[in-house]
Amino acid sequence: QQQVKQSPQSLIVQKGGISIINCAYENTAFDYFPWYQQFPGKGPALLIAIRPDVSEKKEGRFTISFNKSAKQFSLHIMDSQPGDSATYFCAPSLRSGGSYIPTFGRGTSLIVHP
Amino acid sequence: KAGVTQTPRYLIKTRGQQVTLSCSPISGHRSVSWYQQTPGQGLQFLFEYFSETQRNKGNFPGRFSGRQFSNSRSEMNVSTLELGDSALYLCASSLDPGLADTQYFGPGTRLTVL
Repeated sequence: QQQVKQSPQSLIVQKGGISIINCAYENTAFDYFPWYQQFPGKGPALLIAIRPDVSEKKEGRFTISFNKSAKQFSLHIMDSQPGDSATYFCAPSLRSGGSYIPTFGRGTSLIVHP
Repeated sequence: KAGVTQTPRYLIKTRGQQVTLSCSPISGHRSVSWYQQTPGQGLQFLFEYFSETQRNKGNFPGRFSGRQFSNSRSEMNVSTLELGDSALYLCASSLDPGLADTQYFGPGTRLTVL
């Protein structure tokens, strides 16, 4: 059973456009919902994250929308730039022994054309 | 402030050998987690250490093991290597296991098993 489904697998947008990536999960015990950005040859970097008691969080051009009842959350990148071209992972996380253990989506390869 | 350091960056081994990878966390970070990234399985959690104790473990065989030293540096070991162990092994450190927003990844060690 696939616990986390991320879509789309790849996304191409024009500079200035909006990029939207979705993440659906099964486990209702997840209680931390981050998005990571990974450039080739680098490790993932935490981009933005949300807790389940909040429906939306915005940081600059990046917004997370969270729908607890639908068990899904999404990443919106406004005014997409070529520098945003990277792979994005959702990683809903479970609290275990005081730590957060992530389950990663399969990733979305975003290309922003200039 | 220096980031998470992983050594070596690249490694080639043959089936049946064992390998040890090293991770130096960001100064002051006490929690270290390890992940495996492959094209087939994606990003998967291996284990997490805090105060020299393994707190959580992912769904990997016993050939995968790790430890953390008193200075928070960590090593992971894979014994009896298989072709399927070829992957990017990522280490991440955080101030505290409960502070997920403080987690930073290293660049990874690329392991190739021939």
